[in-house]
Amino acid sequence: GAGVSQSPRYKVAKRGQDVALRCDPISGHVSLFWYQQALGQGPEFLTYFQNEAQLDKSGLPSDRFFAERPEGSVSTLKIQRTQQEDSAVYLCASSPPGTGYYGYTFGSGTRLTVV
Amino acid sequence: RKEVEQDPGPFNVPEGATVAFNCTYSNSASQSFFWYRQDCRKEPKLLMSVYSSGNEDGRFTAQLNRASQYISLLIRDSKLSDSATYLCAVIQGGKLIFGQGTELSVKP
Repeated sequence: GAGVSQSPRYKVAKRGQDVALRCDPISGHVSLFWYQQALGQGPEFLTYFQNEAQLDKSGLPSDRFFAERPEGSVSTLKIQRTQQEDSAVYLCASSPPGTGYYGYTFGSGTRLTVV
Repeated sequence: RKEVEQDPGPFNVPEGATVAFNCTYSNSASQSFFWYRQDCRKEPKLLMSVYSSGNEDGRFTAQLNRASQYISLLIRDSKLSDSATYLCAVIQGGKLIFGQGTELSVKP
């Protein structure tokens, strides 16, 4: 596609429920990033893939968060046993090969509300 | 201390005003630098990259001071359509790190 596609656009989950958020990056972009953005804050880094390899997962807030990108294209962010503090917008971004000079292209995000 | 810090907002300015946003970063090994714009309930979009020599794009001017680890964005002749949140961002360790953002509201 022309841009980074994320689904679902909105997700309401009951506390304790597992959720899976999908990101389809721009074709040819080898790098893929997940961010969490709470209301009134800037995006916070969660994890980063280069192709299928997860190179950095230092931003994942707990072991309830898990991300994968098995074939180096589509990625899934999974949150197990959701808690209210997980409520946020989850943004996915991709970037072409290189040093990051060009910046990243973001998807529209998934707004997760845990009730 | 956060890795990237911005002026607290919001900034409320009249149309036509000049407004400046400032941002500091803590890691001297930071590489590329950017300003993003984020409209309400939308994703961040790249506004401009920031170069050591300074760069200008129409009414927008970005500057980088590596010695002081400081980035700035100047908007001249502000328009109603400039109302948004402005995020500075730096590349550290291969990933983009954002500031908390500064909200700008341009009033008629």
